[in-house]
Amino acid sequence: QSVLTQPPSVSGAPGQRVTISCTGTSSNIGAGYAVHWYQHLPGTAPRLLIDTNTNRPSGVPDRFSASKSGTSASLAITGLQAEDEGDYHCQSYDGSLRNSVFGGGTKLTVL
Amino acid sequence: QVQLVESGGGVVQPGRSLRLSCVASGFTFRSYGMRWVRQAPGKGLEWLAVISFDGTYKDYAYSVKGRFTISRDNSKNTLDLQMDSLRPEDTAVYYCAKDTKAYCTSSECYASTSFDSWGQGTLVTVSS
Repeated sequence: QSVLTQPPSVSGAPGQRVTISCTGTSSNIGAGYAVHWYQHLPGTAPRLLIDTNTNRPSGVPDRFSASKSGTSASLAITGLQAEDEGDYHCQSYDGSLRNSVFGGGTKLTVL
Repeated sequence: QVQLVESGGGVVQPGRSLRLSCVASGFTFRSYGMRWVRQAPGKGLEWLAVISFDGTYKDYAYSVKGRFTISRDNSKNTLDLQMDSLRPEDTAVYYCAKDTKAYCTSSECYASTSFDSWGQGTLVTVSS
């Protein structure tokens, strides 16, 4: 299984707010390594959504935000839209494995 | 705009080899480290390998170390992944990805950078 733990799925109605958690350990997120988030919509290449814990790259709507605390991180999406439906992945670095590591991905369904 | 296009995927028997390629455009390829990442059916993303901007530093995930080799040609803007001794568990979509940070030379840089551009992926199926 993946080094970082994400819920397999979340869902919400259009306009609602959802959050996706990413839980690590003292070897990765808890060690202070940055957490990044990627959006992977059907039929497209993965897209960097949040860079280094909280930063939105140019072009990413401010409906997307993220936070990090202790050994966990969280992605929040407000004002859900149908086009947000897809998979969301967190990524960090593990100092014990000496590897970049990902979560298992979370499938977002917009009801 | 940045474009990464993978090729070389297909169906291969266990124990055989396959070489993937990624052609880059829209940015100064020689300035950025590059990665290979894969996603097996029903699984999350898995980082496989990194190569520095100048090709002098390479590192691999434990799952592929000794079997996969990453390389690049900065004169042709191409990134390759030579995959030997393939196993059924290597079946996945393989993506090339570009480091967000340029000119990484320290372990701290490689550990902290995100991947800001990805290709669409190429499917590798290992089956007899």
